[in-house]
Amino acid sequence: EAGVAQSPRYKIIEKRQSVAFWCNPISGHATLYWYQQILGQGPKLLIQFQNNGVVDDSQLPKDRFSAERLKGVDSTLKIQPAKLEDSAVYLCASSLTDSYPYEQYFGPGTRLTVT
Amino acid sequence: LAKTTQPISMDSYEGQEVNITCSHNNIATNDYITWYQQFPSQGPRFIIQGYKTKVTNEVASLFIPADRKSSTLSLPRVSLSDTAVYYCLVGSSSGSARQLTFGSGTQLTVLP
Repeated sequence: EAGVAQSPRYKIIEKRQSVAFWCNPISGHATLYWYQQILGQGPKLLIQFQNNGVVDDSQLPKDRFSAERLKGVDSTLKIQPAKLEDSAVYLCASSLTDSYPYEQYFGPGTRLTVT
Repeated sequence: LAKTTQPISMDSYEGQEVNITCSHNNIATNDYITWYQQFPSQGPRFIIQGYKTKVTNEVASLFIPADRKSSTLSLPRVSLSDTAVYYCLVGSSSGSARQLTFGSGTQLTVLP
């Protein structure tokens, strides 16, 4: 079974520029998550989708971050404009459901460096 | 919202059993306990999940006492490849995004 795919794996941009990350979850997984992991910290959930609807985006900085999951499959996370403190690894995860018990499957992440 | 507390780091030797404890004093009735493992430059990987008593799978055991205020991840006979960060998560299906925010985790270093 193919895992969660993310691209790009690495991205370097200057502050105030825009950037987008792409995620393709495991086939059949209804729930998709985007996390931000700053160096030395655990992952922090930014947004959770159930199919193509948003379940929770309470920790998403909506003034600069946006995410969508069209057709309930692939998803993109965008940052516009980027700040230095956005430097982090952005992880995408998916799960069959969001009702316990369940497990999340994580992608390899995109490492963003903002200079 | 159940806050979790884990040791920052632990060292062990190859072949030993390692126990990592997570405290979650205000765990709610519907909360499950989940452990993930993360290697450098990779996303976290699910290890084990439980609600009460003991759960065992092919890689680990999870011990949960009756009061559920803590849980212990047990890794039998660790090897060098078990060196990683281990995270404890507590949450329920009706929880918020904050429940799916990982803490700082426990850095386990396995020595030869």
